[in-house]
Amino acid sequence: SAVISQKPSRDICQRGTSLTIQCQVDSQVTMMFWYRQQPGQSLTLIATANQGSEATYESGFVIDKFPISRPNLTFSTLTVSNMSPEDSSIYLCSVRPGFQETQYFGPGTRLLVL
Amino acid sequence: GENVEQHPSTLSVQEGDSAVIKCTYSDSASNYFPWYKQELGKGPQLIIDIRSNVGEKKDQRIAVTLNKTAKHFSLHITETQPEDSAVYFCAASKSGTYKYIFGTGTRLKVLA
Repeated sequence: SAVISQKPSRDICQRGTSLTIQCQVDSQVTMMFWYRQQPGQSLTLIATANQGSEATYESGFVIDKFPISRPNLTFSTLTVSNMSPEDSSIYLCSVRPGFQETQYFGPGTRLLVL
Repeated sequence: GENVEQHPSTLSVQEGDSAVIKCTYSDSASNYFPWYKQELGKGPQLIIDIRSNVGEKKDQRIAVTLNKTAKHFSLHITETQPEDSAVYFCAASKSGTYKYIFGTGTRLKVLA
């Protein structure tokens, strides 16, 4: 498995502002992902964070709204840009170590946009 | 498109009873099925998984069964305890892709 931390754990933000969420893993991992979990809902994949190249976004998510960085094999950031109340969600980082099929999730960042 | 249906959406059981959550997947190429437990205020935690070459897997009070023909898999929790109260998610994926298709979740409440 992997130990994953996220910062901040929660935040309350004003509409129109941006928030950057950090994800740190205790070991090098090949794949890192960002998910959104809207209140009371399931998990939706936003993008795959690729080390050394641009992230791969899922349908409905764009780089201008959710820019992602992955400078090395243990760290990634997700920015939620120009926020609106509809962006209020839990944002989760997950990792897939090595060639395992299993994904492990971080504790999440709870975002409330007013 | 590919999807995973999960039932029931909510489940209440008395402490000590068993709980069963069922998921049905649409893509017959799916071959890996993890289950996650998400407690309030926390991220999803892997509790058990099963691959398509196995029909059943057990870990103490938790078991998962897979019926490839019917394309469904189930989570069984025996001797439930209050700390089993959480939201449970199933997921399906297939070789060659990293993507999980998640079920809609089941909120389990164990009544003391």
